[in-house]
Amino acid sequence: AQRVTQPEKLLSVFKGAPVELKCNYSYSGSPELFWYVQYSRQRLQLLLRHISRESIKGFTADLNKGETSFHLKKPFAQEEDSAMYYCALSDPGGYNKLIFGAGTRLAVHP
Amino acid sequence: DVKVTQSSRYLVKRTGEKVFLECVQDMDHENMFWYRQDPGLGLRLIYFSYDVKMKEKGDIPEGYSVSREKKERFSLILESASTNQTSMYLCASSLRGRWPTGELFFGEGSRLTVL
Repeated sequence: AQRVTQPEKLLSVFKGAPVELKCNYSYSGSPELFWYVQYSRQRLQLLLRHISRESIKGFTADLNKGETSFHLKKPFAQEEDSAMYYCALSDPGGYNKLIFGAGTRLAVHP
Repeated sequence: DVKVTQSSRYLVKRTGEKVFLECVQDMDHENMFWYRQDPGLGLRLIYFSYDVKMKEKGDIPEGYSVSREKKERFSLILESASTNQTSMYLCASSLRGRWPTGELFFGEGSRLTVL
């Protein structure tokens, strides 16, 4: 069965420190992976997707098929990065359904 | 800007009550979804709809039903609310399309407390 695992419930770092939010997935085909973010009092929104290979707000994520991982990284965390981050996998059944991980709360301290 | 609007931000209901959660999107999206968001569990799909009057069960449909009579509106119904349905409910919509997977646009959420 397809699954997304985010092993950390909370990641706490200081401003300027590097950040890596871990995401592992189980999927037998060619996965489509995403990171969604929810800032305090805001709606959940797309941060980035692996096929775009973009850097959004300084974040990048590389799909590693060998390790079945899609970790989210940023070299220098900012306080405004504090949010809830969800890794998601496209459901092979289509219809744009997503399978979400449990989420990781990132807290960036001054 | 895509707008997904959930009519009720906060609801408090009693066990056994019937509960309606309404969601409206204004971008002519074909697909609409209801997710449940719980700490430590992430988002779990309850139901989705890919067209008017069409609905499919998600991963946790038990105790829920849905209605999509118009393209822009997708309702989640709890026939007889129970305390274990206390949660945050998120509605989302997306364009139809098989690949690449389209972006999901979310509402602000409806926090339901069942006493």
